[in-house]
Amino acid sequence: QVQLVQSGAEVKEPGSSVKVSCKASGGSFNSYAFAWVRQAPGRGLEWMGGIVPIFGTTDYAQNFQGRLTITADESTTTTSVDLSSLRTEDTAVYYCANVIFEKRGPTVTKLYFDFWGQGTLVTVSS
Amino acid sequence: QSVLTQPPSASGTPGQSVTISCSGSSSSIGSNVVNWYQQVPGTAPKLLIYTNDQRPSGVPDRFSGSKSGTSASLAISGLQSEDEADYFCSTWDDSLVGVVFGGGTKLTVL
Repeated sequence: QVQLVQSGAEVKEPGSSVKVSCKASGGSFNSYAFAWVRQAPGRGLEWMGGIVPIFGTTDYAQNFQGRLTITADESTTTTSVDLSSLRTEDTAVYYCANVIFEKRGPTVTKLYFDFWGQGTLVTVSS
Repeated sequence: QSVLTQPPSASGTPGQSVTISCSGSSSSIGSNVVNWYQQVPGTAPKLLIYTNDQRPSGVPDRFSGSKSGTSASLAISGLQSEDEADYFCSTWDDSLVGVVFGGGTKLTVL
């Protein structure tokens, strides 16, 4: 099973950018797919997007279009999320997660996040 | 406001059963599989139920999931104090073209 270890907490000023990393171990990096999910203080979970390293394909939630970049580096077995033009409302715990996905014909039969990183707190404040 | 609607809170006494509902639409739950996550405050979410009613290895059979039409439910029987946590439902939304979550239900074991 995959283990995901994330980078440490960050404090950023409004308007700047932040990069959060997530190192995967426990299997073949190119057999994985990753998602990023964030959780503002006292709030629910929000899917940001995902990446399939073997194909290099990415998917982004509409709310983040243009501000979000998700990457994967096979050499370091790391996926990262880069969020720009930070606002105070981006203050949240950011999680990476391993994605299980299966499709049979037009039907998605499996789409879930089975293992999660420990989370990284990003605080945006002036 | 979340795409999937859950009650903000639920409660029960040890040994009791409780059910948490999750309401969506034809483009979300009505067309896709549903998952449930358990989150103890201060920790990362944990997969509890996947593909509507499947339990990952290690999840007690006290937890069960179901789906009907545009709604899903998580049932917990024989409540234990360690079940006190936040529970989130999740699915894919064909209209939003993304993964969506419910707002979460805080379960209190009295």
